[in-house]
Amino acid sequence: DIQMTQSPSTLSASVGDRVTITCRASETINSWLAWYQQKPGRAPKLLIFEASRLETGVPSRLSGSGSGTEFTLTISSLQPDDFATYYCQQYKSYSWTFGQGTKVDIK
Amino acid sequence: EVQLVESGGGLVQPGGSLRLSCAASGFIVTYNYVTWVRQAPGKGLEWVSVIYTDGRTYYADSVKGRFTISRDNSKNTVYLQMNNLRAEETAVYYCARARGDGYNHKFFDYWGQGTLVTVSS
Repeated sequence: DIQMTQSPSTLSASVGDRVTITCRASETINSWLAWYQQKPGRAPKLLIFEASRLETGVPSRLSGSGSGTEFTLTISSLQPDDFATYYCQQYKSYSWTFGQGTKVDIK
Repeated sequence: EVQLVESGGGLVQPGGSLRLSCAASGFIVTYNYVTWVRQAPGKGLEWVSVIYTDGRTYYADSVKGRFTISRDNSKNTVYLQMNNLRAEETAVYYCARARGDGYNHKFFDYWGQGTLVTVSS
């Protein structure tokens, strides 16, 4: 299986900060990468697919980049609604795998 | 509006069985991939199983031979039969619709609210 590694595991930030989360794949996955946001007690929500394509309704302060094995999720100006846990997921092939998650909390 | 509603979770003893249901609305399960993803308490997301539009099914190695995914087209519902459950499989089980280009290139655009499965004596 393709292993996905996110960093950092936890990120403390303030409203208005620019934050970046990194996701690395154990082998090339081209651009077959999605990002999800999850809040406590809630289901994950799709944010980005194909590494950089924003899902409908997702605010433009979120962006994704990368290809191959290294990817980033960037929030240009952190808002109160953005404090959550973020997961990357590779979908190069079934046996889809997720990163371990990055929790963004309030500094 | 696309919705998925899971049911069937609960407390089961180790070695026991449970069948989860995922009732879909707003889309037809026959024409979409539907998947199960689980999340142990305080842990990350783990893909479990998928049923393709052509009926093919795939499983994570950890559940192969014990879990079975199926669908009832007349009820627009997908099921996950789980046998010989283990304590470490205690988790919230989510069903999700899979979307994307290509036979295997699928991400998950709509998720249910999840159903909790607790495996304990």
